[in-house]
Amino acid sequence: SQTIHQWPATLVQPVGSPLSLECTVEGTSNPNLYWYRQAAGRGLQLLFYSIGIDQISSEVPQNLSASRPQDRQFILSSKKLLLSDSGFYLCAWKTSGGREQFFGPGTRLTVL
Amino acid sequence: GENVEQHPSTLSVQEGDSAVIKCTYSDSASNYFPWYKQELGKGPQLIIDIRSNVGEKKDQRIAVTLNKTAKHFSLHITETQPEDSAVYFCAASGEYGNKLVFGAGTILRVKS
Repeated sequence: SQTIHQWPATLVQPVGSPLSLECTVEGTSNPNLYWYRQAAGRGLQLLFYSIGIDQISSEVPQNLSASRPQDRQFILSSKKLLLSDSGFYLCAWKTSGGREQFFGPGTRLTVL
Repeated sequence: GENVEQHPSTLSVQEGDSAVIKCTYSDSASNYFPWYKQELGKGPQLIIDIRSNVGEKKDQRIAVTLNKTAKHFSLHITETQPEDSAVYFCAASGEYGNKLVFGAGTILRVKS
């Protein structure tokens, strides 16, 4: 069966520090991968999605970036965090031909 | 692009009563409509979905209806239980399903 992992689960970082969040999917190959951000009490905002290793689309201009170093690994990064980057970051995957998206457990990021 | 509106933002029901959450979408090309349940501090879990070629789908106490003409779809939960308390999100996606657009969410509280 397929599983999705995210780490770390929680993170507290100072303003201006770098960021690296990791997402890994097991049990499938060539998945579509997604990064979402959820502000407190709000809906899900799509940040990036990838349909292949060299294919990453950005949905919202910001100081975040995404990379996909391996087929089932998706990284969310920032060189300098802002206070507004605080939130709950969710990774999701789906099969390339399927419709259902499955979410990971999330990373709670607090920028102080 | 697609826009999904969700109502109500909060809903309180007595245990055993029914709960209904409604969503409208703007893009007539959208053809896939999932519903997610998110418990506190966790990632959203897919609970039911419907495609545009059907008008209704049921899974035990949960049902979803779709009105393509009016561009709205609804989640119905019957015989609510305290464990149904959570945030519920609707979403919509188009032909290739690469991107989901989410509603803002509904906080459901089931009072025992």
